[in-house]
Amino acid sequence: DSGVTQTPKHLITATGQRVTLRCSPRSGDLSVYWYQQSLDQGLQFLIQYYNGEERAKGNILERFSAQQFPDLHSELNLSSLELGDSALYFCASSASMVGQGADTQYFGPGTRLTVL
Amino acid sequence: AQSVSQHNHHVILSEAASLELGCNYSYGGTVNLFWYVQYPGQHLQLLLKYFSGDPLVKGIKGFEAEFIKSKFSFNLRKPSVQWSDTAEYFCAVIFPNTGFQKLVFGTGTRLLVSP
Repeated sequence: DSGVTQTPKHLITATGQRVTLRCSPRSGDLSVYWYQQSLDQGLQFLIQYYNGEERAKGNILERFSAQQFPDLHSELNLSSLELGDSALYFCASSASMVGQGADTQYFGPGTRLTVL
Repeated sequence: AQSVSQHNHHVILSEAASLELGCNYSYGGTVNLFWYVQYPGQHLQLLLKYFSGDPLVKGIKGFEAEFIKSKFSFNLRKPSVQWSDTAEYFCAVIFPNTGFQKLVFGTGTRLLVSP
């Protein structure tokens, strides 16, 4: 158990819908990262937040957005869902931020999204 | 673009065989290197990491990896695999020169260990 929690574990929805994935980082970690794992794209970085502020963006679609709340939990919002958005979405957390050296990222169990 | 390559996509071994999985990255400067393992149906778990110092790194479950800067490589090894090592293995790199902490992953290697 990494200490990172994600809910829900599974999500099945229809095209065009909107869903919200939730992540709680390890106690004391200020950085949260979102990754997407799909068969065709592999593991791709989506976005990073540090202490409530967006710090880095990767291959995140405009239909996707995220935020980190004052209690440090994060939500990833996916809208206008398409079949191709079906994937495993992982959240990871670490203690450090940009400029303070690399740190280890610990991953949550993931949310498996199926778009029908 | 900075990238990570894992050349072995599928590896099949018998128990007690030795394992070496290749990982290469494209950047010649300072990097931070990781190997993660994903057991069937589970999340990514850190096996080992290299930030600096001794290029031979020991991780959990008997795994080790060697950083060879001249070859831009960080190969994962285990002298004797067990059936329970069946999993997918991901090499990942942080490229600090980008100013970002994001992990860039290789495509992964699926290891199947037959009893």
